Amino acid sequence: RKEVEQDPGPFNVPEGATVAFNCTYSNSASQSFFWYRQDCRKEPKLLMSVYSSGNEDGRFTAQLNRASQYISLLIRDSKLSDSATYLCVVNDNNYGQNFVFGPGTRLSVLP
Amino acid sequence: DTEVTQTPKHLVMGMTNKKSLKCEQHMGHRAMYWYKQKAKKPPELMFVYSYEKLSINESVPSRFSPECPNSSLLNLHLHALQPEDSALYLCASSQVSGYGDEQYFGPGTRLTVT
Repeated sequence: RKEVEQDPGPFNVPEGATVAFNCTYSNSASQSFFWYRQDCRKEPKLLMSVYSSGNEDGRFTAQLNRASQYISLLIRDSKLSDSATYLCVVNDNNYGQNFVFGPGTRLSVLP
Repeated sequence: DTEVTQTPKHLVMGMTNKKSLKCEQHMGHRAMYWYKQKAKKPPELMFVYSYEKLSINESVPSRFSPECPNSSLLNLHLHALQPEDSALYLCASSQVSGYGDEQYFGPGTRLTVT
């Protein structure tokens, strides 16, 4: 069983749509959770950390459900510029060393 | 400033060459990482340095040799690579505070082995 799982997509949505991605992780002792976005042929960029109480940054909302071991990312009012691969990342180590990546979910926002 | 720099941006090397990739950060981070990424796949961890000591080696072949000269610099020495080693090599850094440490990536070196 993979440690971090995501639906690879692609998710093709029209501009202005709301889209949600889920991610599940297998290690119940995981401590920290993140969403990164990666554009084609570029490096991953931190989108947001995911906190236990959930957190929002503009059009993006992240939620963590420790009991069910999943993380979600909601994007509202999708823009063309949101087209990218979204990577779910889980840190299994208290001291910041073992970042485990999901396979990524590809999003295409269509005009 | 959350910048991690990497040089060179692109590298083409033959299977008998020796080359080095370089990475630098000035965020005061004490953990630095090398990842390998193939097309349409997530980054794959190779090495982790924590406080300038190698803490994780993910069974990487010895033709890849990491080096951490100081807390800001990370090198990856390459020798006798194979064509299947062609990939994007990403460097990253993070704090080591115990919780919620965010990892920041450099732009990568795109390596082609001929």
